[in-house]
Amino acid sequence: NAGVTQTPKFQVLKTGQSMTLQCAQDMNHEYMSWYRQDPGMGLRLIHYSVGAGITDQGEVPNGYNVSRSTTEDFPLRLLSAAPSQTSVYFCASSYSAGGPIGELFFGEGSRLTVL
Amino acid sequence: GEDVEQSLFLSVREGDSSVINCTYTDSSSTYLYWYKQEPGAGLQLLTYIFSNMDMKQDQRLTVLLNKKDKHLSLRIADTQTGDSAIYFCAEKNSGAGSYQLTFGKGTKLSVIP
Repeated sequence: NAGVTQTPKFQVLKTGQSMTLQCAQDMNHEYMSWYRQDPGMGLRLIHYSVGAGITDQGEVPNGYNVSRSTTEDFPLRLLSAAPSQTSVYFCASSYSAGGPIGELFFGEGSRLTVL
Repeated sequence: GEDVEQSLFLSVREGDSSVINCTYTDSSSTYLYWYKQEPGAGLQLLTYIFSNMDMKQDQRLTVLLNKKDKHLSLRIADTQTGDSAIYFCAEKNSGAGSYQLTFGKGTKLSVIP
């Protein structure tokens, strides 16, 4: 059972470089989201999507872009990386955006370092 | 806006009970959750409670909800070294278009053998 798969697991970038963090889920979940986790800050929502073709901003969207062309995939793009984007990034999905339980299934995380 | 607060650290001896506390501000919360994060891994749902319940028990886990004080707790009985992890409290509210969970900063539980 693959669940939510994130790649890469580790990445080092130089300031100003761009990259895409990939996220794929095989559970036919409508809802997908990206969080970043920083020490002492907990989890903060970056962007989310309630279905293919629909995306919206979360708490900390600046510096990140997303798209949702298929139900399965939800890539997160950093257009010009900054040291403040050094973090652990988690992709999470749920079967229904406004569903009764709203359990989130998380990927294993992508650790990004921006020098 | 919604806010979820929890203490950052808890240390207990193996075999004792652990109690992790959480307070939240959103009175329209529908579901409250406890997630567990083991080192180097993503979060996994441990248990949840619907807002019209006071208590939920699941094997070694007991969740207590005090809606008046907006206080949620997670009790782990007979704590084991494998319970060492970060525990996140989260809430989901019932507002229109509300798709998000609001997470606390997490409580790091250390179990002393």
